[in-house]
Amino acid sequence: NAGVTQTPKFRVLKTGQSMTLLCAQDMNHEYMYWYRQDPGMGLRLIHYSVGEGTTAKGEVPDGYNVSRLKKQNFLLGLESAAPSQTSVYFCASGGDRASYEQYFGPGTRLTVT
Amino acid sequence: KQEVTQIPAALSVPEGENLVLNCSFTDSAIYNLQWFRQDPGKGLTSLLLIQSSQREQTSGRLNASLDKSSGRSTLYIAASQPGDSATYLCAVSENDYKLSFGAGTTVTVRA
Repeated sequence: NAGVTQTPKFRVLKTGQSMTLLCAQDMNHEYMYWYRQDPGMGLRLIHYSVGEGTTAKGEVPDGYNVSRLKKQNFLLGLESAAPSQTSVYFCASGGDRASYEQYFGPGTRLTVT
Repeated sequence: KQEVTQIPAALSVPEGENLVLNCSFTDSAIYNLQWFRQDPGKGLTSLLLIQSSQREQTSGRLNASLDKSSGRSTLYIAASQPGDSATYLCAVSENDYKLSFGAGTTVTVRA
């Protein structure tokens, strides 16, 4: 049972390049989330999904797109990377309808130059 | 919009002292509150989750209280150890179960 995994762990992009971050969970959770963490600002929600085939915007969605084609995977895409998207990205999942506890992946450190 | 505040931003204590970390939130209509630990360069580890109907949760040396009406939670860590050095994050869950995070309190326990 790996929990929540993220690929890749590190990435450096040039401005304007595109990339996709992959999140996978093996806990059969319905809910999945993408957050970004910046110094002094805590984690902020980018997009989330309440089930396979669904997505919704969070607090800071601009410049990102997501897809949830399979229940276990949640993809975060950057179509044209900007230096302001330099951050650490965390994926989380949750499925316990009693507690709604969230479980986090190890993070992806992205630098855009 | 929910605002979550953690004070202080940083804390340094000698080993053995009890730690008290504070978290406040502006909207009391929450489903639950979670406390996380984050080590440098690492992900988040869930420490305690308090449901909105609960007043406190305990796990080993950790105790978290919740006063929903006043928008406050406190995390107590008894008899601190150098291994407790980390950043502690507080987060509240609202509609659609999204988490709103505080900026964290960075704790250093001196040996």
